[in-house]
Amino acid sequence: DSGVTQTPKHLITATGQRVTLRCSPRSGDLSVYWYQQSLDQGLQFLIQYYNGEERAKGNILERFSAQQFPDLHSELNLSSLELGDSALYFCASSGSGQARRNSPLHFGNGTRLTVT
Amino acid sequence: GESVGLHLPTLSVQEGDNSIINCAYSNSASDYFIWYKQESGKGPQFIIDIRSNMDKRQGQRVTVLLNKTVKHLSLQIAATQPGDSAVYFCAENSSGYSTLTFGKGTMLLVSP
Repeated sequence: DSGVTQTPKHLITATGQRVTLRCSPRSGDLSVYWYQQSLDQGLQFLIQYYNGEERAKGNILERFSAQQFPDLHSELNLSSLELGDSALYFCASSGSGQARRNSPLHFGNGTRLTVT
Repeated sequence: GESVGLHLPTLSVQEGDNSIINCAYSNSASDYFIWYKQESGKGPQFIIDIRSNMDKRQGQRVTVLLNKTVKHLSLQIAATQPGDSAVYFCAENSSGYSTLTFGKGTMLLVSP
């Protein structure tokens, strides 16, 4: 068990809808990362927060947004959903602001989003 | 559970064999590397990491080798077990960047 908790495990919704994915990092970890995993794209970095502030942005669509709250949990909001947004969404956390020795990323078990 | 990729390179070995999984990275500025194992229905699980000032690091039944000259990383698993069957990803990070970039993954299949 990595200590990173993601909810819900599965989400089925229709095109055009909006969903919120939730992540609780490992106790003490300040950084939260969101990754998208699809069959043809592998693991793609979306966005990182460190202690409540946005730290880095990757291939995140404008329809997607995230935030990290004072208790360090994070939410990823996906809106105007399209069929192509169907994927696994992973949250990871680390103790520092950067993936380094003694501070690797630890992943949750993901949320499987299916857009119909 | 569902597979994470339909067109991944696959390595098939017998139980007890040693396995070697390879990864080529592209960024010569990368100075930190991690291997992850992903089982069906689960998130990537940290296995072992290495900094660029090292060329070898050993863990329990696993060894990571780094060749910076050819930008190549390998994961060796000794006495492979059926429970090692999973998709293995290498990931890299460069100083000054906070995130990891992942490779495409290799599926390891271990038969009893």
